[in-house]
Amino acid sequence: AQKVTQAQTEISVVEKEDVTLDCVYETRDTTYYLFWYKQPPSGELVFLIRRNSFDEQNEISGRYSWNFQKSTSSFNFTITASQVVDSAVYFCALFDRGSTLGRLYFGRGTQLTVWP
Amino acid sequence: EAGVVQSPRYKIIEKKQPVAFWCNPISGHNTLYWYLQNLGQGPELLIRYENEEAVDDSQLPKDRFSAERLKGVDSTLKIQPAELGDSAVYLCASSGRMETQYFGPGTRLLVL
Repeated sequence: AQKVTQAQTEISVVEKEDVTLDCVYETRDTTYYLFWYKQPPSGELVFLIRRNSFDEQNEISGRYSWNFQKSTSSFNFTITASQVVDSAVYFCALFDRGSTLGRLYFGRGTQLTVWP
Repeated sequence: EAGVVQSPRYKIIEKKQPVAFWCNPISGHNTLYWYLQNLGQGPELLIRYENEEAVDDSQLPKDRFSAERLKGVDSTLKIQPAELGDSAVYLCASSGRMETQYFGPGTRLLVL
């Protein structure tokens, strides 16, 4: 079975603080993809990053960085120097290429609020 | 490049009425998905199309939900009759390669 857990339901920070969103996943497959999506109040899910299960290299994109650790089945997302515009719900998702026909499984999301 | 287009953005209907949602995927994307998102939850797949073929519809409540993608481009999702519990956001997504899905703005449905 595939499962994505985002234990943090809500996080509030003040602008310029760093914040880390946790994601833990479960899968029996050796080949899979991990994703992060951002959902602002407008409702559209915005793709942020995709990580292949064979690539454990961490990635940085501007103020965003991702830490993928296969040993702990975690794919955490850090926003450095947060801004009010970062306020949104962030979803971690798992895509496996195995017997379930390639379905994308989402966590329940973390609501991030950045206060000015 | 235009993103995934959905309409309407909002829909309010009375229970037992029919409702339909429309989706136009990103040009060239052969795979199209419909998701249901309840409040405070992540999206859950309803159906996936590869061109015109529905290849994964195991989560679609077929007694009242139906979907079609006749020409392998646009898609329509229908509910008939709608129930109170159908109030949610209905998201459409498309992908060129199977793995990265791009989402539309969604349709917020309220059933009274």
